[in-house]
Amino acid sequence: KAGVTQTPRYLIKTRGQQVTLSCSPISGHRSVSWYQQTPGQGLQFLFEYFSETQRNKGNFPGRFSGRQFSNSRSEMNVSTLELGDSALYLCASSLVPARMDNSPLHFGNGTRLTVT
Amino acid sequence: DQQVKQNSPSLSVQEGRISILNCDYTNSMFDYFLWYKKYPAEGPTFLISISSIKDKNEDGRFTVFLNKSAKHLSLHIVPSQPGDSAVYFCAAKGSQGGSEKLVFGKGTKLTVNP
Repeated sequence: KAGVTQTPRYLIKTRGQQVTLSCSPISGHRSVSWYQQTPGQGLQFLFEYFSETQRNKGNFPGRFSGRQFSNSRSEMNVSTLELGDSALYLCASSLVPARMDNSPLHFGNGTRLTVT
Repeated sequence: DQQVKQNSPSLSVQEGRISILNCDYTNSMFDYFLWYKKYPAEGPTFLISISSIKDKNEDGRFTVFLNKSAKHLSLHIVPSQPGDSAVYFCAAKGSQGGSEKLVFGKGTKLTVNP
C-alpha cells in the first residue's frame, strides 16, 4: 500500500508570493491533517479535513488555507508568504478524524518550503 | 502556551544502554498519548501509544510509562541501538474547547553512539 505522498518535496519562494502544497493520503484514508514543523517548535497543527470539510483548525492566520477533494486528496495554500513561513509542512492521513478513534496518523515526508 | 513539553532537546546514549525520553503535559483532558520517531528528510512514524487508563505499555524494546498524577510520560528504549538515533516526538490527544486536539511536543533528538 502506498504511503502518504506530498509534492513537491522542496520549494523556494520569495516574500509576498503564494504557494500550494499537495497531499495524497493512503488509499482508503479519508481524513487529512496538516502540520508545520519549524526548528525548535515541534509540530504545530494547521487543520484537519474529512469528507471535503474542514473539521478542526489550529492557531494560524487566515493566510493559511486548505481544501480536500472528493478523492480525499488535499491541498494547502499559503498566501502573501513571509520569511517566518519557512518550514517543513507535513501532511498526515488517517481512516477517520481524530475525534472518532485513536488510530495513529500516517505522515508523508513533507514539503520543505524556503521563503527568501 | 506549551501544553506538551519535552524539556530535553537532545539526549546521547551509549549503544546497549537504556534511553529514557521524558514528556510532561498540562492539560488534564488529554487521555491518549503517542510517541513518534522522525528521521531526517522523512515524516514522523508512529512508535507506541498509551491510553490514560493504563500506566504502562510495552512493545519489544520500547515501553511507555504514564504517571497521570504527575502528568508525565516517558519512553524507555532498551537496549538502545544506533538505528534508534532520531528525533522523538511526544503527542497528547484529548478534548479541548469542544474539539479533539492532538498536540505535539518540540521533540528530543536521541543519539545512540556505537
